[in-house]
Amino acid sequence: GAGVSQSPSNKVTEKGKDVELRCDPISGHTALYWYRQSLGQGLEFLIYFQGNSAPDKSGLPSDRFSAERTGGSVSTLTIQRTQQEDSAVYLCASSLTRVEQFFGPGTRLTVL
Amino acid sequence: TQLLEQSPQFLSIQEGENLTVYCNSSSVFSSLQWYRQEPGEGPVLLVTVVTGGEVKKLKRLTFQFGDARKDSSLHITAAQTGDTGLYLCAGEVGGNKLVFGAGTILRVKS
Repeated sequence: GAGVSQSPSNKVTEKGKDVELRCDPISGHTALYWYRQSLGQGLEFLIYFQGNSAPDKSGLPSDRFSAERTGGSVSTLTIQRTQQEDSAVYLCASSLTRVEQFFGPGTRLTVL
Repeated sequence: TQLLEQSPQFLSIQEGENLTVYCNSSSVFSSLQWYRQEPGEGPVLLVTVVTGGEVKKLKRLTFQFGDARKDSSLHITAAQTGDTGLYLCAGEVGGNKLVFGAGTILRVKS
């Protein structure tokens, strides 16, 4: 079966522009997570969706960051007015049982 | 804030050597997971440990969860070049979330 997919794999943008990153979770997985990974760092939690419940947005670093999950499946992470410090790899993961998460390959975002 | 500290940050060894990576916290976790990540890919789950004192073996990898469920170790016997990668530990916190350590970069030279 297909794993978690993310698009684009790489995104280069100019400071101040908006970007959208997409995540397709494993079919049937009710939980979806977004993380940010900076060079040489661990994963920083951003947001968590579980079924139809209100998302846990406690990790979003600023109000420029938002995410949606439509129909309990595909998710989009949007970063508005990008800054250079937003440059990182953005990882998406999905899960069916507790917290054993399956990760996508990530989107590498570079803000010039 | 629940913090997981991993050590060492970087490890470079020869093929065939043994190594241990540590993951420590002052917090208690419901469970702890180890992931391995290769360049350009997402982390892949290796193991989940749940019970204090638990030991799990996965071929040449041995994982241990501390009695108090605050720390864990990963031991690799007779490392191979294919073991090269970033090893991440992650502790389960409330609300079905994980908190990750910064990782240990392992390089195994032939």
